[in-house]
Parts: sequence; C-alpha cells; structure tokens
Amino acid sequence: AQSVTQPDIHITVSEGASLELRCNYSYGATPYLFWYVQSPGQGLQLLLKYFSGDTLVQGIKGFEAEFKRSQSSFNLRKPSVHWSDAAEYFCAVRGPSNTGNQFYFGTGTSLTVIP
Amino acid sequence: NAGVTQTPKFQVLKTGQSMTLQCAQDMNHEYMSWYRQDPGMGLRLIHYSVGAGITDQGEVPNGYNVSRSTTEDFPLRLLSAAPSQTSVYFCASRPGSSGYYEQYFGPGTRLTVT
Repeated sequence: AQSVTQPDIHITVSEGASLELRCNYSYGATPYLFWYVQSPGQGLQLLLKYFSGDTLVQGIKGFEAEFKRSQSSFNLRKPSVHWSDAAEYFCAVRGPSNTGNQFYFGTGTSLTVIP
Repeated sequence: NAGVTQTPKFQVLKTGQSMTLQCAQDMNHEYMSWYRQDPGMGLRLIHYSVGAGITDQGEVPNGYNVSRSTTEDFPLRLLSAAPSQTSVYFCASRPGSSGYYEQYFGPGTRLTVT
C-alpha cells in the first residue's frame, strides 16, 4: 500500500542555516511526489513536484528536493532559511488509478526558525 | 479567479446536529476532494469526485456525505456531528484525475463539535 513517512515531527533551525526535511514513501510503481507548505491558519501551497526525469527538482521560495529511488526518499532542502519559512511542511505521493489517483500525505514537519 | 473557496471559516456544532461545509472552485477543475487535518495525522481523504455526478469514498468517509451536481461545487455534509469530527477541513481541486496535476487547496474550515 502507498504511504508517506515524515520522521521529524518538529525541526528548529537558525535563520540563515541550511535545512533538510526528510520524506520516505512507499509505492510500487514510479511515484509522483509533492511537497506542500502550510502557513499558520492557511491552506496548503505547492512547493515542488516530481514526476520523472532529473531527480533534483527546483521549487518556489528557493526550495529544492532530490528523488532517490534506492532510498525511497524525496527530501526537501533549502540552503539558507528565512524567518518567513516557519510553517508546516507536508510530503505527498500520488496513489494508483484505482484510488482515483488520490494523494497520500505524510503527517507533516513543523519548522521553527530562530532569528 | 478566486481559486478554491470554502465557507464557513469557523463553525461550532453540538453533538447530533447536521451541517454542510461548502466548497466551490472557479477553475473548471474536474477533480475535487475533501480532507480532514488532525494533529499528528496529516491530511486524510474523506471523499472525492472525478466529475459532476461521480463521487467515491476516501480513507475516512464514515459520518460524511457528498454530492457533485455541478463542476464548481462539492459540498460536504455532516449527518449527525460527533466530537470525533472536530477537525480542520480542507477542500481541494485539480484539473483532472491524472496524477500529473497538483492539487489546489482552499483556506479550510475549522469545525468544533461539543
């Protein structure tokens, strides 16, 4: 069955430091993977997505993610974190066609940025 | 272009009451879905629709009902509210059921059942 694991419930980083949020997925076929960000009291906004091709994908707000099939991972990175990056981050994988290609989300990682 | 809109933003219900959460999109998207978000649980799919007149159950459908009479609207009905349905509800849409498409989310409805 398809699923997503985000091992880190909460991460704290200093402003200007680098960031890596972990995501592991379980899916039998080629995965379609997504990272979303949720600011407090807001809906979810897409940061980036991976379907195929180059395993390093660039997103908005300076984020990037690397797909590693051998590790079933799709970790999100940012070289230098800004205070405005404080938010909750969700990784998601698309399910198979017999589920309507629904999305399966991880439990999220909450990011705190220290000035 | 308003995107995905949800009403109300906040709602308090008593146990046993019924209500409808409204969701509308103006992007002519075929696929719409409802999620609930609970602490430590991420987002879980309640119901989804791949087009007008077609709906199906997601991971946690019990206690909820949906219909899709138009492309634009996808209301979620709570038949008899229970405290376990206290949650934040998100509606989402995307152009089609293909997984190539990202989902667009509404701002959410925060529901409390007492």
